Amino acid sequence: NAGVTQTPKFQVLKTGQSMTLQCAQDMNHNSMYWYRQDPGMGLRLIYYSASEGTTDKGEVPNGYNVSRLNKREFSLRLESAAPSQTSVYFCASSEALAANYGYTFGSGTRLTVV
Amino acid sequence: GNSVTQMEGPVTLSEEAFLTINCTYTATGYPSLFWYVQYPGEGLQLLLKATKADDKGSNKGFEATYRKETTSFHLEKGSVQVSDSAVYFCALSGDSNYQLIWGAGTKLIIKP
Repeated sequence: NAGVTQTPKFQVLKTGQSMTLQCAQDMNHNSMYWYRQDPGMGLRLIYYSASEGTTDKGEVPNGYNVSRLNKREFSLRLESAAPSQTSVYFCASSEALAANYGYTFGSGTRLTVV
Repeated sequence: GNSVTQMEGPVTLSEEAFLTINCTYTATGYPSLFWYVQYPGEGLQLLLKATKADDKGSNKGFEATYRKETTSFHLEKGSVQVSDSAVYFCALSGDSNYQLIWGAGTKLIIKP
């Protein structure tokens, strides 16, 4: 029962380094999302993909890029990491682009930028 | 704009106590309301939802009623267990209907 798998689970970057967070789901969901979770702020949407081949900006897209590689995979790239990007990142998927379907989340990537 | 306010945690209770976690919201239109739970080291899971006023969502002994008159969606459970220790997030569907607006989360600690 894999669901949504995120890698890596932990990462420490130096300012200016780049990295890609990987996400894969095995539920045949059409829509996928990247969120960041910061203390006292709930979750904020970075980017989403309504379906394979499409991506759109969310609430806080600056400093990030995404790729919907296929129906299963949705990656998040930090081109030049900044300390403000220290956060816990969650990937999620849903059957379709509607909150009522309910989201399935991965277990998160804890990123520290020093 | 739309927003969700949850009671601050942590909330610490003894096993078998009654639980209430408050959630109030500000929204235009008729949003759907959700409670998600995050167990230690895991991602968030949908706990329950309600899609219109006066609806009651329920799951695993938890309940919440969509109260439009008080703009609230409080989470309740009659008798909590140690295994209920987690962070609970209230959320509502935004204007776009796909985007969820999240509360800050409430950490619940249940002591045996």
